Amino acid sequence: DGGITQSPKYLFRKEGQNVTLSCEQNLNHDAMYWYRQDPGQGLRLIYYSQIVNDFQKGDIAEGYSVSREKKESFPLTVTSAQKNPTAFYLCASSTQGSGANVLTFGAGSRLTVL
Amino acid sequence: SQQGEEDPQALSIQEGENATMNCSYKTSINNLQWYRQNSGRGLVHLILIRSNEREKHSGRLRVTLDTSKKSSSLLITASRAADTASYFCASDMVDYKLSFGAGTTVTVRA
Repeated sequence: DGGITQSPKYLFRKEGQNVTLSCEQNLNHDAMYWYRQDPGQGLRLIYYSQIVNDFQKGDIAEGYSVSREKKESFPLTVTSAQKNPTAFYLCASSTQGSGANVLTFGAGSRLTVL
Repeated sequence: SQQGEEDPQALSIQEGENATMNCSYKTSINNLQWYRQNSGRGLVHLILIRSNEREKHSGRLRVTLDTSKKSSSLLITASRAADTASYFCASDMVDYKLSFGAGTTVTVRA
């Protein structure tokens, strides 16, 4: 079955540590995205990539980093510079075909800072 | 910055009733989309309406779009317990980035 796999589902981090969230898709989608979701605030775009080896900052990129070395993979690193990293992180991908950008989401990763 | 705002923030209805939620956005769009999120899960795409369309149906879903007012509405008819979820509108702008609102949480009571 085609889809997006995020791992781990739950992650705990001590302050000062970097952590990496994995996102893999087998949909052959060109574009991939990372969103952060906090209670009552909806989704905010962290980073996105429309093609391999290229990515752009979203609205809240500070304290995060990404790479796009393969079409299937778009890992997100939450660095120690991110002051409030506890949140639900969602990865998505899209084909951007037919003039519409319909996203397919993974199941999410919940990060808690201890 | 977030483009869309949903109203109401929360909605509680009896099974079988209709649920209506509204979305407003700020700038020109290519299309507007609605997604559903069950608690603790990823979002699932429900329906898309293009900027040159005014109304669209899909099963028990009806979406309207008023570009002059920069607003959209989602109607779920004959609601079921399985419709309990959060619903998000997302505006697809000219640069192909989706901007999501804060969502409407719908609870369907048996």
